[in-house]
Amino acid sequence: EELLLESGGGLVQPGGSLRLSCAASGFTFSTYAMSWVRQAPGKGLEWVSAISGDGGKTYYADSMKGRFTISRDNSKNTLYLQMNSLRAEDTAVYYCAKEPRSSGYFDPWGQGTLVTVSS
Amino acid sequence: EIVLTQSPGTLSLSPGERATLSCRASQSVHNNKLAWYQKKPGQAPRLLIYGTSSRATGIPDRFSGSGSGTDFTLTISRLEPEDFAVYYCQQFGNSPLTFGGGTKVEI
Repeated sequence: EELLLESGGGLVQPGGSLRLSCAASGFTFSTYAMSWVRQAPGKGLEWVSAISGDGGKTYYADSMKGRFTISRDNSKNTLYLQMNSLRAEDTAVYYCAKEPRSSGYFDPWGQGTLVTVSS
Repeated sequence: EIVLTQSPGTLSLSPGERATLSCRASQSVHNNKLAWYQKKPGQAPRLLIYGTSSRATGIPDRFSGSGSGTDFTLTISRLEPEDFAVYYCQQFGNSPLTFGGGTKVEI
């Protein structure tokens, strides 16, 4: 069974930093592109960032460019999202998701980790 | 950026009824690369349909997708109690990847 388990969420002050992790199991992690997608309270889904299987290519939504950094450690089957200069509007549940055939759609998703940016 | 507009915002139906959900794109979706997801509170989104009409593994055949260009539809032929949820469309043919605002299917 393919599983994704996020961690690292929590309460952080505006301007602060946080690093999210996503541990993958049940598939050959290094052969799949991965993404982060978020959902703010009461809002819809928003794609955040993606990374190729070998980590050589990264992509970001415009509002996250320069503040967020996606990375992966294929030896540890783990995906990361380093978030800096956090704003109140970054408050959301952050999901990691696998891209079948590096396609751009997502299956499966993790259960998510909540990030709250507040003073 | 492609904006996806889902309608209606809320669909009030009963078990056994047919649900028809619409997703309209602000411009043509390249190669009809459109997906649908089901989202329940406190749960991870679940992929239902990819490539406009291909059902994901394990998805019952009461779920079907259709459309092309800018207009796409998710149909649930006979609603089961577990189908009451929020449904999102997503396009993956153009960068950046974008989602619709969601349609809530409620009893």
